Amino acid sequence: QKEVEQNSGPLSVPEGAIASLNCTYSDRVSQSFFWYRQYSGKSPELIMSIYSNGDKEDGRFTAQLNKASQYVSLLIRDSQPSDSATYLCAPNFGNEKLTFGTGTRLTIIP
Amino acid sequence: GAVVSQHPSRVICKSGTSVKIECRSLDFQATTMFWYRQFPKQSLMLMATSNEGSKATYEQGVEKDKFLINHASLTLSTLTVTSAHPEDSSFYICSASSERLAGVTDTQYFGPGTRLTVL
Repeated sequence: QKEVEQNSGPLSVPEGAIASLNCTYSDRVSQSFFWYRQYSGKSPELIMSIYSNGDKEDGRFTAQLNKASQYVSLLIRDSQPSDSATYLCAPNFGNEKLTFGTGTRLTIIP
Repeated sequence: GAVVSQHPSRVICKSGTSVKIECRSLDFQATTMFWYRQFPKQSLMLMATSNEGSKATYEQGVEKDKFLINHASLTLSTLTVTSAHPEDSSFYICSASSERLAGVTDTQYFGPGTRLTVL
């Protein structure tokens, strides 16, 4: 039984457009949510964290959280080729560990 | 801030030998460190969680006698793969978190990873 669901992609987005990445999680007490970016052959890099319902913006990135719907998303505005990577959703289910989704592979088309 | 290093970045060894991987938090004290393994085109799999000065907690299915974890200080954790075999070849990644880091207790910062190849 998967606890974190992400569309594996690949998701192709034209350069300059908005990329929308989605993540749903199972019915557990989730306190915090993280988005990581992972380039091929590299380790994950923290993009955003979000703890409360609503939107959180950081530069070109916006995380959106809806705990009632068990849904968290990441929007990337003005997508750049350098944004091409796999994006991992990682909720914390309250035990200090992160549970990683399988990731969505994003490709930005120049 | 929040930089984590790993050494070595890449190692090739013969079957049956042991390999030690170091994970260091460079600019903060890590109360908790995590060890992950990632096979090609798969997601990260948590192997174990370690807290400074105490025994590591291993995930189900991970052999603690094969993957020895030591977290002797707040800035260093080591993973030793004992009697390595070709099926242990993988990308091993550590992460660290701190109760004192920016008031956030559960953010994990990842090291660059160690690619292990067992011949």
